[in-house]
Amino acid sequence: EADIYQTPRYLVIGTGKKITLECSQTMGHDKMYWYQQDPGMELHLIHYSYGVNSTEKGDLSSESTVSRIRTEHFPLTLESARPSHTSQYLCASRDASHHAFFGQGTRLTVV
Amino acid sequence: EDQVTQSPEALRLQEGESSSLNCSYTVSGLRGLFWYRQDPGKGPEFLFTLYSAGEEKEKERLKATLTKKESFLHITAPKPEDSATYLCAVQAGGSARQLTFGSGTQLTVLP
Repeated sequence: EADIYQTPRYLVIGTGKKITLECSQTMGHDKMYWYQQDPGMELHLIHYSYGVNSTEKGDLSSESTVSRIRTEHFPLTLESARPSHTSQYLCASRDASHHAFFGQGTRLTVV
Repeated sequence: EDQVTQSPEALRLQEGESSSLNCSYTVSGLRGLFWYRQDPGKGPEFLFTLYSAGEEKEKERLKATLTKKESFLHITAPKPEDSATYLCAVQAGGSARQLTFGSGTQLTVLP
């Protein structure tokens, strides 16, 4: 079973607030990812990291930022939340065989 | 540009009625094709990896096959607990970011 954790699972927040979605993995994987997924829709890559101090933007334009100070930790921050940010955010890490392991997700609602 | 197309978008089966889900892909240099299961409100759960045409993998009532242009997920005698969205993803090249997902097939198995 994959050891990758996301907190919080659910979050309702007001417009303009700053929020950080947490993601941690205990598998020692270098590669980590953040995806955004709307109900019934495909996953869109918003950020990824090759390892510590390495971060890149993905395909989906995003107003979020990420950091990778430690291998196990890959938080995602929204400086000013908007209703258009309402979505599910999924964190994943990948092993050397390219297998991706996902967290349970954070369901974000911005009101 | 890498593309993954899954069909059908939705599939309703009676318990015990076998069927197949399709994943067609266009990618330069396939490194791996992945099948995931996703339950509502949760992150995708890894099922299979296929690396080369002709390869097959099985797990309980599921069997995944791969050709040079598509993959099939065969479901034999499904049960209601098999109801979920099944996602296909491809890994191209060696870049960390290049895991492209399809939009999934939502499977409902009726008792």
